[in-house]
Amino acid sequence: GQNIDQPTEMTATEGAIVQINCTYQTSGFNGLFWYQQHAGEAPTFLSYNVLDGLEEKGRFSSFLSRSKGYSYLLLKELQMKDSASYLCAVQSGGYQKVTFGTGTKLQVIP
Amino acid sequence: SQTIHQWPATLVQPVGSPLSLECTVEGTSNPNLYWYRQAAGRGLQLLFYSVGIGQISSEVPQNLSASRPQDRQFILSSKKLLLSDSGFYLCAWSVLGGARISGNTIYFGEGSWLTVV
Repeated sequence: GQNIDQPTEMTATEGAIVQINCTYQTSGFNGLFWYQQHAGEAPTFLSYNVLDGLEEKGRFSSFLSRSKGYSYLLLKELQMKDSASYLCAVQSGGYQKVTFGTGTKLQVIP
Repeated sequence: SQTIHQWPATLVQPVGSPLSLECTVEGTSNPNLYWYRQAAGRGLQLLFYSVGIGQISSEVPQNLSASRPQDRQFILSSKKLLLSDSGFYLCAWSVLGGARISGNTIYFGEGSWLTVV
């Protein structure tokens, strides 16, 4: 089976930096994804990590440590529109299966 | 470019009634197809996935079923809905890319809100 853990909620200030952590336990790890989901909408893809290290994409960066079963999503220069849930998802087994964590609800305040 | 559509967007159904949600993908061939459910305030639960026509893997035993009659069509059904079936249902697709480039990135449809009353 798989186990994915993320904090339930976080609050951060506009313009600041926030780090959302994700830990996982799985067999046959093949990659980790981060998705953003605004309330009432479908998730949208943010990033993918399969090797250890940091992947940077504009204001968003994602880090992976396979040996520790750990990832984080880093959001810089926070904007009010970044208020959303952020979902960590793990790809395992025969590549087809992607399992999602319960998500971290981020609230950005002025 | 690839697009995914699912319908209906919203429906209210009485307990015990049947259900049919439909999803189609355009612009790609032989995609992996998925049905997820998201209950209020909870995470995404994988219900079914399919790697080809007629090939369905079920992740959660329940009163739902899925079918893939055509390469780019995925249908979620139930013969008799339960109150606990209420939620946000998401169809999704992926195509396995280079493992180091994109992995099996999943792209979601707009979602269907189901309320069982």
